[in-house]
Parts: sequence; structure tokens; C-alpha cells
Amino acid sequence: AQTVTQSQPEMSVQEAETVTLSCTYDTSENNYYLFWYKQPPSRQMILVIRQEAYKQQNATENRFSVNFQKAAKSFSLKISDSQLGDTAMYFCAFVPRRSNDYKLSFGAGTTVTVRA
Amino acid sequence: GAGVSQSPRYKVAKRGQDVALRCDPISGHVSLFWYQQALGQGPEFLTYFQNEAQLDKSGLPSDRFFAERPEGSVSTLKIQRTQQEDSAVYLCASSLDLGGTDTQYFGPGTRLTVL
Repeated sequence: AQTVTQSQPEMSVQEAETVTLSCTYDTSENNYYLFWYKQPPSRQMILVIRQEAYKQQNATENRFSVNFQKAAKSFSLKISDSQLGDTAMYFCAFVPRRSNDYKLSFGAGTTVTVRA
Repeated sequence: GAGVSQSPRYKVAKRGQDVALRCDPISGHVSLFWYQQALGQGPEFLTYFQNEAQLDKSGLPSDRFFAERPEGSVSTLKIQRTQQEDSAVYLCASSLDLGGTDTQYFGPGTRLTVL
């Protein structure tokens, strides 16, 4: 079984500044995928970024980037130049790269508030 | 194209009533997932379909929960004899191909409140 831990229930950041969200996970798998999802107050879950464990290069998507440390089982998300629209709950999620296991395991989430 | 849609968006049920929650996945998506999200928590897996076949229902909390996807497209999650602990947001997700290697796209969810 996999567990995903997000140790920061809430984070607040000033507009245009940078915030980093932490995520650690526990697994015996060697190949897997990691995701960050964003859930605004409207509750539609949106994919922010995806990382494949066998790729050493950290994934980036515009202002969003990750720091993937496989040995430490750590997968943090950095939001640069924060915007008011980034206010949301952010979930870290894990899925093993196996054909018979496809369910996402989510962390408890981090609420990010961007202040004007 | 259209994303994943769910209906109703909100449902209030009296304890003991049966409810049915609908999910319309993205057209052509093979995989469909149901998750349950308690207030302030991350989603928890309920069940998984590959086309019309329900391959995994290990997350269904009791035999009062039943899901189907008879034609491999629309899916319905049914909860019989609802209890207060069933109150949650029920999320549906679909992905183009098989399971976890492909990105799951989520619907807006159905918020169920059991009184």
C-alpha cells in the first residue's frame, strides 16, 4: 500500500511571491507516477503537473515546477509568481506504474491562499 | 471537447433513502473511476471501470454502494439506505487509456448530504 503525506495543512503567500508545498510518499515500488492536482473552491480537480519516477529531470509547467527526490521519496511543488487564481487546495497523488493498479492515492491536501 | 460532467451537483437525502449519482466521462475514455472525498480530506478510491467491466471495487465501503457502467460510457453510483457517514463529495474521473499511466480528468463532483 502507498501513503502520501502533505504536512502543511495551510499556506499563505503574497501575490507575485513564491510558495513551496511539500509532499512525501511511502512505497516499495520502483516505477510510478506522481501528480499535483489543484482544486479551487468550485471543486473541479485540475491536473497541475505530472512526474514520471524513471525520469530524473524535474517536470515544469509554466510557473509550476517540482523538486523530485526519489531516494528521499519527496515531491515538492513550487509555485512562482503567485497569482490570485492560484488560491485553491493542492493535492499530491501517487500511482504505481503497474497494469493492475491504477487508483490514485492522495495526500490530505494543502490549502493555498494568495493575498493581494 | 467537453470535460467530465456529473449530476446532480448537490443532493440532499434523508437517512434511509436511496440515491443515484451520474457521471458522463470524456467521450472515448476507456477508464472511469469513482472517488469519495470527505470534507477537508483528499479523495479516496471507490471503484474502477475499464469500458463496461468493473475491474476493482475494493474501495466501496459497504454493500450499500453499487456502481455500474453498462455501455462503457455513462456510469452511475448508487447508494442504498443512505447513512449520515455517506455525506461527502463523490468525484468521477476518466482517462483515455488504461488506468494509472494516463492522466485522470475529474468532474466537478456531487456533494451528498444525508440528514
